Amino acid sequence: KNEVEQSPQNLTAQEGEFITINCSYSVGISALHWLQQHPGGGIVSLFMLSSGKKKHGRLIATINIQEKHSSLHITASHPRDSAVYICAPTEGAQKLVFGQGTRLTINP
Amino acid sequence: GAVVSQHPSRVICKSGTSVKIECRSLDFQATTMFWYRQFPKQSLMLMATSNEGSKATYEQGVEKDKFLINHASLTLSTLTVTSAHPEDSSFYICSARRLAGGWETQYFGPGTRLLVL
Repeated sequence: KNEVEQSPQNLTAQEGEFITINCSYSVGISALHWLQQHPGGGIVSLFMLSSGKKKHGRLIATINIQEKHSSLHITASHPRDSAVYICAPTEGAQKLVFGQGTRLTINP
Repeated sequence: GAVVSQHPSRVICKSGTSVKIECRSLDFQATTMFWYRQFPKQSLMLMATSNEGSKATYEQGVEKDKFLINHASLTLSTLTVTSAHPEDSSFYICSARRLAGGWETQYFGPGTRLLVL
């Protein structure tokens, strides 16, 4: 069993839809990153959170430490949100463990 | 915001040659940098943790003599792929750990795509 499981692996939606990506992990963590990787490969860290909920613009991330679960939500999705979203818990000393990623495609 | 750069962004080389990839933190000092490798359609895999002024810590299965890491300053870490072979072709990404105001985060470089012929 993978240490980090993301679902869905692939998601296609229409512009404007509300998007949810889920992440379950089995490792002990100090924090969890949500990363965005664009087709060219560049990676952007969207959130790092260790409890509760964070919001940046149309993006919302939540984490439940007891249940070892985190979600990333995108409101009013847009084609430019199309990317791979990666959940990455950190276990000690900032070592990240990466999920397989969720490939999101938003159609106009 | 914090920026991490990598150079080169893309490199093609012949089998047997060595390739050096640089990772720089542009507006902050990074005592720790991380090197990752990503094969097509796979997730990132941590190769090694690079600490300024000391030897890098390599993950299991990563050959330290093949992937030489030097973190000579607080803003620069280099990864040298020695005697590269086609199976080393991959996307190499670095990240830099930043500690500010008691809060830690990582900033990722744009990656280096290596193709070994």
